[in-house]
Amino acid sequence: SQQGEEDPQALSIQEGENATMNCSYKTSINNLQWYRQNSGRGLVHLILIRSNEREKHSGRLRVTLDTSKKSSSLLITASRAADTASYFCATGSKTSYDKVIFGPGTSLSVIP
Amino acid sequence: DGGITQSPKYLFRKEGQNVTLSCEQNLNHDAMYWYRQDPGQGLRLIYYSQIVNDFQKGDIAEGYSVSREKKESFPLTVTSAQKNPTAFYLCASRRDRSSGNTIYFGEGSWLTVV
Repeated sequence: SQQGEEDPQALSIQEGENATMNCSYKTSINNLQWYRQNSGRGLVHLILIRSNEREKHSGRLRVTLDTSKKSSSLLITASRAADTASYFCATGSKTSYDKVIFGPGTSLSVIP
Repeated sequence: DGGITQSPKYLFRKEGQNVTLSCEQNLNHDAMYWYRQDPGQGLRLIYYSQIVNDFQKGDIAEGYSVSREKKESFPLTVTSAQKNPTAFYLCASRRDRSSGNTIYFGEGSWLTVV
């Protein structure tokens, strides 16, 4: 499986702090995506980074991709209580583009 | 509004019964997906379909079946062969490949075996 794996599994921070989550994967990819899931809900797409990109920003989100290490990180700056959720990375391989696999996720708690 | 609709939201099944979860999208997306999520866990791919009348097994297809007779519909049947079906099931879709493989999710269906 080319499943991405996030770490840490759980993260608890104070409001206003930055949160960093990491994702590792096993095979060559076309792109990597990050999603957010509030408890008991569907996932919401946050950001996509292509394999030829190294860094991407969207609002308070910053994503990096290191294809040599097969890893990505998601940084949420100036966290808010509303950022409390689970965050997942997802990858589609170069050989099986449509087969999108998700990692186990990082559960983020932002304490007001 | 455009989106992905899953039904029912909650479903109870007796052991030995087959149940079908509905997934409809009006986004005109080509690809559709079914994922299973166990409490506190990530998503595991059950089946996916790239076009009408075609679908592929994911990582945990055993005990499940799907059909893709229409572009907008991708129902999932949980058969009695699935020994531990209690889980949260998520349907998703993706536009054409030129848009990248950003996936859009429904709100999920909770299945409980009683």
